[in-house]
Amino acid sequence: GAGVSQTPSNKVTEKGKYVELRCDPISGHTALYWYRQSLGQGPEFLIYFQGTGAADDSGLPNDRFFAVRPEGSVSTLKIQRTERGDSAVYLCASSLRELGTADTQYFGPGTRLTVL
Amino acid sequence: AQSVTQLDSQVPVFEEAPVELRCNYSSSVSVYLFWYVQYPNQGLQLLLKYLSGSTLVKGINGFEAEFNKSQTSFHLRKPSVHISDTAEYFCAVSAGPDSNYQLIWGAGTKLIIKP
Repeated sequence: GAGVSQTPSNKVTEKGKYVELRCDPISGHTALYWYRQSLGQGPEFLIYFQGTGAADDSGLPNDRFFAVRPEGSVSTLKIQRTERGDSAVYLCASSLRELGTADTQYFGPGTRLTVL
Repeated sequence: AQSVTQLDSQVPVFEEAPVELRCNYSSSVSVYLFWYVQYPNQGLQLLLKYLSGSTLVKGINGFEAEFNKSQTSFHLRKPSVHISDTAEYFCAVSAGPDSNYQLIWGAGTKLIIKP
């Protein structure tokens, strides 16, 4: 079946602009995660959705970052007033979120964001 | 809070030789442990995971890992590597049932297979 998809695959923008990154999770997966991966580092947690609500947004670096998942499926990560330090690969993952166990997170290919 | 250390940023090894990629973690609570692989130009893919039970976990592509609670380690091994194993390998940890299962990641180890 279809895996997690992310669009666009690459996004180049200028400092100060607004960007939106989209994630389509695996159908039926209730949990959705956003991570950010900077060059030479492992992914860093940003935000976790269970259904439509952001259950944990403690990883968002500041208030320029915001994410939504209005219908409990597709999610959009929004970054306002982009800065060069926001350049990274943004990863989305989804899982079934079965109670009582750490179910597998399935990752999309990522969106590479470059802020000039 | 949890943290993960991957001690080697790169591991070069000859084809058909054994390999061990090291991972140590720190946590004050019970954790789940994972190894993910990222092939060139592809997304992260789960290799194996430890939740509970047997400390030796077998994964895909002939990889296995051993959970050692006293040494807080979860090293990844393969007895004989192939050129197709060239990739970056990430160790990750998530907290137990009261958490949201967010993954905390190591910095990754690049496995370089020499022909």
